[in-house]
Amino acid sequence: DARVTQTPRHKVTEMGQEVTMRCQPILGHNTVFWYRQTMMQGLELLAYFRNRAPLDDSGMPKDRFSAEMPDATLATLKIQPSEPRDSAVYFCASGSNTDTQYFGPGTRLTVL
Amino acid sequence: RKEVEQDPGPFNVPEGATVAFNCTYSNSASQSFFWYRQDCRKEPKLLMSVYSSGNEDGRFTAQLNRASQYISLLIRDSKLSDSATYLCVVTGTDKLIFGTGTRLQVFP
Repeated sequence: DARVTQTPRHKVTEMGQEVTMRCQPILGHNTVFWYRQTMMQGLELLAYFRNRAPLDDSGMPKDRFSAEMPDATLATLKIQPSEPRDSAVYFCASGSNTDTQYFGPGTRLTVL
Repeated sequence: RKEVEQDPGPFNVPEGATVAFNCTYSNSASQSFFWYRQDCRKEPKLLMSVYSSGNEDGRFTAQLNRASQYISLLIRDSKLSDSATYLCVVTGTDKLIFGTGTRLQVFP
């Protein structure tokens, strides 16, 4: 049963520290999405890639967030420096197209 | 105005009840529509797509009203296991737009 995997599952860090989250999409999926979910805002799209090329990162604060896909099996989301308002659950999703997306279990980030 | 709006609930219903959720969307150009389900502290999972003619999957019925730009989900014979948050999803420009979800709690 193919699944999207994400690491770490939980991360507690202090303000100002760098945070890197990783995602392994389902093999064969060419589209990868990064979302952030908070109680107040719900699920927000941060960035997405198709065939490893970034297509849209307009949802992402550019000054501190960066997303990359160094190869077809790995997507990364980095926050540097982290701030308390970044505390959220970060989901990665993959799919063969935009419509059908399979979500990973998420990384629960707490910035103190 | 949010692109996808849902009543956050919670909807508290007894087992066996029928419950319906609505969702409105603002982009008349949206082409595809879905309901996702999210359990507490878990990831969202696709529940069903929503087709123009309406569609049914067991106890779940989804309907789309393009003229009024709303989508509905009807759950019949509610089970305790239906307790979750239901996310209304529509397509935007090459991406999915998620509502903030409607929480359902089914009690014995």
